[in-house]
Amino acid sequence: QSALTQPASVSGSPGQSITISCTGTSSDVGGYNYVSWYQQHPGKAPKLMIYDVSNRPSGVSNRFSGSKSGNTASLTISGLQAEDEADYYCSSYTSSSTGVFGTGTKVTVL
Amino acid sequence: QVTLKESGPALVKPTQTLTLTCTFSGFSLSTSGMRVSWIRQPPGKALEWLARIDWDDDKFYSTSLKTRLTISKDTSKNQVVLTMTNMDPVDTATYYCARIGPGYYGMDVWGQGTTVTVSS
Repeated sequence: QSALTQPASVSGSPGQSITISCTGTSSDVGGYNYVSWYQQHPGKAPKLMIYDVSNRPSGVSNRFSGSKSGNTASLTISGLQAEDEADYYCSSYTSSSTGVFGTGTKVTVL
Repeated sequence: QVTLKESGPALVKPTQTLTLTCTFSGFSLSTSGMRVSWIRQPPGKALEWLARIDWDDDKFYSTSLKTRLTISKDTSKNQVVLTMTNMDPVDTATYYCARIGPGYYGMDVWGQGTTVTVSS
């Protein structure tokens, strides 16, 4: 199972919106509404930000939103804040009933 | 409150077998729809999905590591165990366990991770 493809880095100024893409295939991202997104600060465990494509767990800011079109999922962060600077990973369920992560995106707040 | 905690050796030698234990509380792995996954992250690299065990004892493994991994659960002890055979320096990583709750597919609670170094 090949890793999902994410841009290596995305940056934005405070208050701006940014979008991170996550491209897979019809055997993972495109085949199921089981895409999740994780935020990871240095030295910390990942934190679930979005599950099942577009759902936010309790306690996650509504500045984070998710969507999917075909084989590509996206995470949008609106009203970018300094605390959003972190690594972000997408993940998907696959046709083998396994999981797969994305290559990871480093978000920088300018 | 749901918590998970990984434990195991910090150092293993090449060719040895690694055994990691995920001890959890706040939920039961016998509850329908509950799942626990193992994930690892080499230093400075991306997350990698390793294995998952479900409430009904179904087990799923990374295609590339399938021959080396075994996952099991002890519901009475609230533990999930992952073994990885024939360890190599490239397996040096932080290993995490995480829960997937019933009704959705996202790893909503993660352990703190345990760092494993493979070196002679």
